[in-house]
Amino acid sequence: QITLKESGPTLVKPTQTLTLTCTFSGFSVSTSGVGVGWIRQPPGKALDWLALIYWNDEKRYSPSLKSRLTITKDTSKNQVVLTMTNMDPVDTATYYCAREVVPAGTPFDNWGQGTLVTVSS
Amino acid sequence: DTQMTQSPSTLSASVGDRVTITCRASQSINRWLAWYQQKPGKAPKLLIYKASSLESGVPSRFSGSGSGTEFTLTISSLQPDDFATYYCQQYNSYSRTFGQGTKLEIK
Repeated sequence: QITLKESGPTLVKPTQTLTLTCTFSGFSVSTSGVGVGWIRQPPGKALDWLALIYWNDEKRYSPSLKSRLTITKDTSKNQVVLTMTNMDPVDTATYYCAREVVPAGTPFDNWGQGTLVTVSS
Repeated sequence: DTQMTQSPSTLSASVGDRVTITCRASQSINRWLAWYQQKPGKAPKLLIYKASSLESGVPSRFSGSGSGTEFTLTISSLQPDDFATYYCQQYNSYSRTFGQGTKLEIK
């Protein structure tokens, strides 16, 4: 059974750095073709892709947010970490992590439950 | 960056209806398109990948078609559980892009 779960602060202040951790089980991010991504969703709005990291440590970022994002993985802990700098109230959203499997041609086939992050002073 | 545009934004339909949602890409994405269903307070659920492949466990009343820049999601006979918001997503390029969503409401 594949599970993913996001963890991190629920409230951050403007200008602070957000660090979110995705802890997963049922697969390994060291397996060829596997990736883990982050997607966010502001309240009442659409999904917004943020970043992806693959088994070979290839990293991809949303062009509009690239300067603020860093994605890393810890294979031994089955975790992927996303940091976002200079947080602003417009970054208030539910943040999801999800698995992608390249060889199968499947995009985000398994998702975490999401974690709501509010940016407010 | 590839932009994805869904239509309509909102769709009102009744149980038993056949409905179609359209997704257009700003450039060709071959068949690298997925459809997701999202219910309030829940994570999205993958329905269709590679434009027309049905994800395991998804009812056969859901189907997808298209290639290049135009794609459709069809629900052949709406069930009460299908009223939700649907998103398309391209995964052809370096980036991943979602459409703005289509909310399927009960008429």
